[in-house]
Amino acid sequence: NAGVTQTPKFQVLKTGQSMTLQCAQDMNHEYMSWYRQDPGMGLRLIHYSVGAGITDQGEVPNGYNVSRSTTEDFPLRLLSAAPSQTSVYFCASSYTAAGNQPQHFGDGTRLSIL
Amino acid sequence: KQEVTQIPAALSVPEGENLVLNCSFTDSAIYNLQWFRQDPGKGLTSLLLIQSSQREQTSGRLNASLDKSSGRSTLYIAASQPGDSATYLCAVPTTLNFGNEKLTFGTGTRLTIIP
Repeated sequence: NAGVTQTPKFQVLKTGQSMTLQCAQDMNHEYMSWYRQDPGMGLRLIHYSVGAGITDQGEVPNGYNVSRSTTEDFPLRLLSAAPSQTSVYFCASSYTAAGNQPQHFGDGTRLSIL
Repeated sequence: KQEVTQIPAALSVPEGENLVLNCSFTDSAIYNLQWFRQDPGKGLTSLLLIQSSQREQTSGRLNASLDKSSGRSTLYIAASQPGDSATYLCAVPTTLNFGNEKLTFGTGTRLTIIP
């Protein structure tokens, strides 16, 4: 009964470092997405995937990279961390398109860039 | 561009009261709307998904309504309890490239139920 699992829960990076935020779901969902949540700005879509091997950019994709080699996993890579990427990152999944089905969210990764 | 607004940003009410949370959106060409709950340090939990044809959707003490023509949705919470304290967000589907979709979120209303 895991749902959407995100690791790590917390991370502190130095400017210029790279890292990968992990997201896995066990519900056989085709649609997966990454959001960042910042105070006063709501959740903004970074990248999304409609199935294994298919990804596309969202509203704020710069500085991030994704891949979807399996249905279960959708990692988010920060290529060269910047202080502006300090945020809470959420992964979400659903059976089909984002609006058609209830979205299932992970508990988030809280990322600080120094 | 779709914009979703939730006012007020924060609300405190005594336990046991009925309350209404508001959500407004600028583009009425939506086919559904979702309400989410977010507890501190946690992710979002989907509460209700209301289709534009339904006008209302109920789950336990929660009732959501949707009026596309006025660009508004409300979430009614009956007999509030301290466990209802959380941030409540609404979201509507927005079209992306190639017919794909994303959710456009409001910034939420932080609800505190006072025992």
